[in-house]
Amino acid sequence: EVQLLDSGGGLVQPGGSLRLSCAASGFTFSSYAMNWVRQAPGKGLEWVSAIRNSGGSTYYADSVKGRFTISRDNSKNTLYLQMNSLRAEDTALYYCAKVVRGGPSLDIWGQGTMVTVSS
Amino acid sequence: QSALTQPASVSGSPGQSITISCTGTSIDVGGYNYVSWYQQYPGKAPKLVIYDVSNRPSGVSNRFSGSKSGNTASLTISGLQAEDEADYYCCSYTGSRYVFGTGTKVTVL
Repeated sequence: EVQLLDSGGGLVQPGGSLRLSCAASGFTFSSYAMNWVRQAPGKGLEWVSAIRNSGGSTYYADSVKGRFTISRDNSKNTLYLQMNSLRAEDTALYYCAKVVRGGPSLDIWGQGTMVTVSS
Repeated sequence: QSALTQPASVSGSPGQSITISCTGTSIDVGGYNYVSWYQQYPGKAPKLVIYDVSNRPSGVSNRFSGSKSGNTASLTISGLQAEDEADYYCCSYTGSRYVFGTGTKVTVL
């Protein structure tokens, strides 16, 4: 079964850091680009970041550029999101998502991990 | 980049058809045939229902269909069923980033 398992969320103070992980199983992880998408409580979906299958290219939303870093370890079938200088507005449920074969749409999503930034 | 514009809510009776619009610009919806649609139930992860404007993933009901004209994409749900009551989001890929729509709550009367 194709599956993504998000983890690493929690409560962090403004200005703090957190690293999210997304463990993949059931597919050839190294063949697919991956993304992070977030959803603030009661709000809509917001794309955060993407990484090519090799990890050689990364992309970020303007709202997180310079503060967040996406990476992957294809030997461990795991995607990461390092989040630094966290702000209250980063509070959200963070989902990792896999792209479909041959296209950019997101066909498999993790269950999400909650990040709360508050003092 | 601004979110794509969707109606906040759409409703219909069982068996009816409804259409959700998704309006962007020439640099997102109008510029690429990479519009996708996601269904989300409360407390659940989004589920892909349409990709590349009009394609359905395996396992998605053929009651869901997508189209695009200019800078506006549309999702049509025909033969509306109670299980279709959910939030729906459009999304456009712009070559290096994604932009989601504002979301539409579908209510089955």
